[in-house]
Amino acid sequence: DAGVTQSPTHLIKTRGQQVTLRCSPKSGHDTVSWYQQALGQGPQFIFQYYEEEERQRGNFPDRFSGHQYPNYSSELNVNALLLGDSALYLCASSGPSNTGELFFGEGSRLTVL
Amino acid sequence: AQSVTQPDIHITVSEGASLELRCNYSYGATPYLFWYVQSPGQGLQLLLKYFSGDTLVQGIKGFEAEFKRSQSSFNLRKPSVHWSDAAEYFCAVGAPGGYNKLIFGAGTRLAVHP
Repeated sequence: DAGVTQSPTHLIKTRGQQVTLRCSPKSGHDTVSWYQQALGQGPQFIFQYYEEEERQRGNFPDRFSGHQYPNYSSELNVNALLLGDSALYLCASSGPSNTGELFFGEGSRLTVL
Repeated sequence: AQSVTQPDIHITVSEGASLELRCNYSYGATPYLFWYVQSPGQGLQLLLKYFSGDTLVQGIKGFEAEFKRSQSSFNLRKPSVHWSDAAEYFCAVGAPGGYNKLIFGAGTRLAVHP
């Protein structure tokens, strides 16, 4: 049973560019959440997708957007990259039980130069 | 506002010694409480969770945590630490019925000396 998979694992961009990160949830899970983890910090909630719609959003600007496909996979898009966007981006999936338990992928490490 | 505080940024223990990692939260009611572990270059793995009932919860890898409502704390403990426990530990809170949105603390990095 595959867990949460994310791609790419590492990437380097320059300021002003755009990036797309991808996530496939754990089998049987229908909800995908994205978190940003800056160096030395805990993960911060960006947003959550359920039934192909954004259900909740954290305190992140509109430069951060996402999408969820009918197969529950998801994308995180960041436009007009800033140096401060450098971080580990974690995808987490959860199932219909809404127990609060999240299953995390290994993350995509984004470096903005 | 909801928040999680992990007062200890770094902790070093000797292998075989006991461990306690502190976690305090600020929340209007009793939240769901979690401890996750993150090894270098990896995602987060759930160690244990508290939703309701018995305030002492058991998790994987020999970890346990105790919920103390009066102190708004959820401290993680292990009686005997192994070298493989070296990692970063995160405490998190979630709102019951809050669709699995979690608020994390800043983490405690654990080093284990042989």
